Amino acid sequence: TQLLEQSPQFLSIQEGENLTVYCNSSSVFSSLQWYRQEPGEGPVLLVTVVTGGEVKKLKRLTFQFGDARKDSSLHITAAQPGDTGLYLCAGVRWSADGLTFGKGTHLIIQP
Amino acid sequence: NAGVTQTPKFQVLKTGQSMTLQCAQDMNHNSMYWYRQDPGMGLRLIYYSASEGTTDKGEVPNGYNVSRLNKREFSLRLESAAPSQTSVYFCASRTWTGVGNTEAFFGQGTRLTVV
Repeated sequence: TQLLEQSPQFLSIQEGENLTVYCNSSSVFSSLQWYRQEPGEGPVLLVTVVTGGEVKKLKRLTFQFGDARKDSSLHITAAQPGDTGLYLCAGVRWSADGLTFGKGTHLIIQP
Repeated sequence: NAGVTQTPKFQVLKTGQSMTLQCAQDMNHNSMYWYRQDPGMGLRLIYYSASEGTTDKGEVPNGYNVSRLNKREFSLRLESAAPSQTSVYFCASRTWTGVGNTEAFFGQGTRLTVV
């Protein structure tokens, strides 16, 4: 059962454009994490959002957690080729059984 | 700066063969996980070990077994490999304190092909 729906699945845009990736669920999570994965590597954590309505900024990346703690978004401003990669959202539950991952967004930023 | 180390990085098996994927972490984490990643399916949890001495099934456990050898090591065994087990396997670890929002650290993955 896929509890986290991520969209879009693929996105190819030009350098300098803005973009938003969405992560939606019908379940409530204790927190939500965003990971970035490059080819041949494991995912690496970008950010954790914990409080409903929370907004976190990481340079040109802005992460938001929905008020009901069921959804999140990642907004990239002025995308650069170095932002290319697979972005994964992961719902964190109150139990020890790991993270629930969305299917990921394959992002390509063309020079 | 080893973090999570997985071996091997690549493996080709014939249908019916068995193998064990090894994972070790040097961050003193109590919880360890095995995921598989397939195109269009994202990362799916196979088994996890919340703490040394315990293991539990995840979302897709069929065809796999695990052993938490000690706090550092968590292995994944395929007893009789099938083509459906062709995938990239990731081991991960984190400190789980009951709050749940700690970072998970991943290995570099094992790319397994079953022919």
